Amino acid sequence: DQQVKQNSPSLSVQEGRISILNCDYTNSMFDYFLWYKKYPAEGPTFLISISSIKDKNEDGRFTVFLNKSAKHLSLHIVPSQPGDSAVYFCAANAGGSNYKLTFGKGTLLTVNP
Amino acid sequence: KAGVTQTPRYLIKTRGQQVTLSCSPISGHRSVSWYQQTPGQGLQFLFEYFSETQRNKGNFPGRFSGRQFSNSRSEMNVSTLELGDSALYLCASSLNPRDTNQPQHFGDGTRLSIL
Repeated sequence: DQQVKQNSPSLSVQEGRISILNCDYTNSMFDYFLWYKKYPAEGPTFLISISSIKDKNEDGRFTVFLNKSAKHLSLHIVPSQPGDSAVYFCAANAGGSNYKLTFGKGTLLTVNP
Repeated sequence: KAGVTQTPRYLIKTRGQQVTLSCSPISGHRSVSWYQQTPGQGLQFLFEYFSETQRNKGNFPGRFSGRQFSNSRSEMNVSTLELGDSALYLCASSLNPRDTNQPQHFGDGTRLSIL
């Protein structure tokens, strides 16, 4: 049972446009959500996170939106740059002392010059 | 500030052998978690350690074990290796495990190949 789902395996956008990556979850106990970026042969790099008490968090070009009723979150990258091309993982944590991340399968973002 | 360091980066073993992977967390980080990444299953949680105690464990067989030392460094051991254990093993550390609003930071992983 996949508790965190990224239904789009890949996404291609033009440089300068907006990239929107989506993530759905099923476990209502999740209360902390994160996005990671991963280049080949490197570990995941933390991008941005959001607590379930918020519905939006912004950091530079990156904004994460959380819709708890729909159990859906999205990552917006504006403007997209070629260096953003990577695999993006959505992850969730159930809180308390249960500190373990459940990851989606990832979305490969390609930003074309 | 140094990041999470994992050694070795690459490892080749044969079936039936055992292997030990090492992880040094970011200075000051006391929680260390291990994940397995495979093409089919994605990133899956193995276990988490804090203050030398395993606090959380994923759904992996007992062949997978770990430990944490007093300096927060951690090791992961896999015994009786199987072909399916071929994967990228990632270690992540975090500042304060009791505050869940703290991200985990990952190392670059150890690529384990089983022949």
